[in-house]
Amino acid sequence: KAGVTQTPRYLIKTRGQQVTLSCSPISGHRSVSWYQQTPGQGLQFLFEYFSETQRNKGNFPGRFSGRQFSNSRSEMNVSTLELGDSALYLCASSLIGMNTEAFFGQGTRLTVV
Amino acid sequence: GESVGLHLPTLSVQEGDNSIINCAYSNSASDYFIWYKQESGKGPQFIIDIRSNMDKRQGQRVTVLLNKTVKHLSLQIAATQPGDSAVYFCAETASSPPNDYKLSFGAGTTVTVRA
Repeated sequence: KAGVTQTPRYLIKTRGQQVTLSCSPISGHRSVSWYQQTPGQGLQFLFEYFSETQRNKGNFPGRFSGRQFSNSRSEMNVSTLELGDSALYLCASSLIGMNTEAFFGQGTRLTVV
Repeated sequence: GESVGLHLPTLSVQEGDNSIINCAYSNSASDYFIWYKQESGKGPQFIIDIRSNMDKRQGQRVTVLLNKTVKHLSLQIAATQPGDSAVYFCAETASSPPNDYKLSFGAGTTVTVRA
C-alpha cells in the first residue's frame, strides 16, 4: 500500500512568486491536512479537507490556500511568497479525520530567496 | 490554550536502556493523542496513539501513558536502539470545535542513543 506522496520534494522560489504543492493521500483516505514545519515555530496546522470541503483552518494569512479534488488529492498554494515562508510543508492523510490514525508524507522543502 | 509541550528538548540515553519522553497538554477538551517520530529529512512517522477513555496503551517496545488529571502524556521506549534516535513529537486533537480536524503539536524532544 503506497504511503502519502508529496510533490515536489524540493522547491526554490523567489520572493513575490507563487507556488503550488501537491499531496496524494493513502488510497481510501478521505481526509487530508497540511502543516508547516520551521525550526522556530515547529509544526503548525494550515488546513484540513474532507470530501472537498475545508473543515478547519489554522492561523495563517490568506496567501495560504488549499483545495481538495474528488479523488481526495489535495493541493496547497502560497501566493506572494515571503522569505519567512521557507519551511518544510507536510501533508497528512487519514480515513475520516485527525481523530483516526494520520500518516504524513515526506514533505516539500520550500526555500524562498 | 491549545499548546502541547514537552518537558525536555533533548534526551540522551544509553543503548539498551529504557527511555521516557514526557509531554504536557493544556486543552482539557482534547480526547485523542498521538506520538510521532521524525528522522532527519523525513516526515513524522506514526508510533502509537491513545484515546482519552484509556490511560495506557502498549505497542511493540513502546507504551503510552495518559494522565488526564494532570494533563500529562508520556512515551516509554523499551531497550532503546540506535535506530530510535530521532525527534519525538506528541500531538493532540479534539472531537469538537475549534480544535477538531487538526493536530496540535508539542515542540519535540530530540532523543540521542549512545552506543
